[in-house]
Amino acid sequence: ETGVTQTPRHLVMGMTNKKSLKCEQHLGHNAMYWYKQSAKKPLELMFVYSLEERVENNSVPSRFSPECPNSSHLFLHLHTLQPEDSALYLCASSQDRTQGAEDGYTFGSGTRLTVV
Amino acid sequence: LAKTTQPISMDSYEGQEVNITCSHNNIATNDYITWYQQFPSQGPRFIIQGYKTKVTNEVASLFIPADRKSSTLSLPRVSLSDTAVYYCLVGDRAVMNTGFQKLVFGTGTRLLVSP
Repeated sequence: ETGVTQTPRHLVMGMTNKKSLKCEQHLGHNAMYWYKQSAKKPLELMFVYSLEERVENNSVPSRFSPECPNSSHLFLHLHTLQPEDSALYLCASSQDRTQGAEDGYTFGSGTRLTVV
Repeated sequence: LAKTTQPISMDSYEGQEVNITCSHNNIATNDYITWYQQFPSQGPRFIIQGYKTKVTNEVASLFIPADRKSSTLSLPRVSLSDTAVYYCLVGDRAVMNTGFQKLVFGTGTRLLVSP
C-alpha cells in the first residue's frame, strides 16, 4: 500500500448508473487530487482540493462530481457517464508548501472504470 | 507553465545504466524538477526531485546543468522490474490560499528493459 487507498479497483457501470469512487489517505496530507488517465494519453488533472476546499476544476463535465468531507477522504461521484469516460481514475495527495521543495505526490493504485 | 520534452521510448538491457533526458527550456526560477515512475494500471510513484546540480537517492540520480534547461534521470544497473513509464515534471507553483503545487504530466518515456 502506498498510503493512498482507492476503492474499488475495478468498476463496470452502465450509462444510466450512479456510482462513487473512494479515496483515503493516512499520510497527514492536506491536498488531494483526482486525475484521469485514458489509454495512450497523459494524465489529466480533474479536481484539486486543498484543506477540504475545491481549488481547481479543469473544465470537467458535471457528470463527475467530487466531494471532500475531510482531509483524509475524497470521493468522485459518477452519473450518466459515457463510454469515452472509461479510464483509470487516480487519486493523489500531497503536503502543500508555500516555499521550498514539494515532497512529491503520493498516488493510489487507481480505479479502472469501464462504462458500457 | 513550463513545458517538458522527453523521448517517447527507450530500450535497455538488464545491468545497464539508463539515462533519460528531459528538456524544459521555459523553466521558471522557482520551479523544481521532479521525476515519477508508473507501472501499468498503477498510479505514478515519486522517484526524485531537484532544483540544481546533482541529487542522488537510493533509486536514482538526477543531473541538472547550471542553466536548468534540461535534466537527466540516471538509473544505475536497471533490472526487468524497471520497465515502466518515466515522467519528467516541472513544478507549476500556483500560489493560492495555501500555495500547493499543481503538477502537469506529459506523455512520459516508456522504458523497456530486456534480459
